[in-house]
Amino acid sequence: DTEVTQTPKHLVMGMTNKKSLKCEQHMGHRAMYWYKQKAKKPPELMFVYSYEKLSINESVPSRFSPECPNSSLLNLHLHALQPEDSALYLCASSQGGDDGETQYFGPGTRLLVL
Amino acid sequence: GQNIDQPTEMTATEGAIVQINCTYQTSGFNGLFWYQQHAGEAPTFLSYNVLDGLEEKGRFSSFLSRSKGYSYLLLKELQMKDSASYLCAVNGDSSASKIIFGSGTRLSIRP
Repeated sequence: DTEVTQTPKHLVMGMTNKKSLKCEQHMGHRAMYWYKQKAKKPPELMFVYSYEKLSINESVPSRFSPECPNSSLLNLHLHALQPEDSALYLCASSQGGDDGETQYFGPGTRLLVL
Repeated sequence: GQNIDQPTEMTATEGAIVQINCTYQTSGFNGLFWYQQHAGEAPTFLSYNVLDGLEEKGRFSSFLSRSKGYSYLLLKELQMKDSASYLCAVNGDSSASKIIFGSGTRLSIRP
């Protein structure tokens, strides 16, 4: 199984809503990532979890809150988002979080903030 | 600073060969990746180079020259389904698994 799954596929939310994005992998990978991708732009790293601990936070606003309940799951909690946060949110995983490891991406959640 | 450059758009003909170039300037280097991304879909892994030379995988090959900060992705026997964006990504930081993506090359295949 080389699949990373994400739910939901699409999400529309208002600026006062609270929602969560979910990501799951069963490849035994110990590093998981959140990326944000705007249209016609490359993915931008948001967070990295390595062995269930947050190892990288790319100065992401606090309205985005990651959570790693266990080694297979990664959540991204959303609160008080802005319309400019509308984007494709991609989850990825890699084997152990070391340098040079291949990252495998999920299909993404397309988020629209109204 | 970190900088990754690749052409914005390219066009090629079905059945032909195309080479997509990527140059990078990063503070460190721990490997270079190529990903394919179809519109509206997630990136999918194509290749990984950490040593100089050519890595071949079916119709796709990737080359790296660390001294020149240069890589290319070579696609042979082009098919219509190869129309996609191709992202060059470099792990150029001492932090584990922090890869930076180039802006991508949008490849269009014409019949």
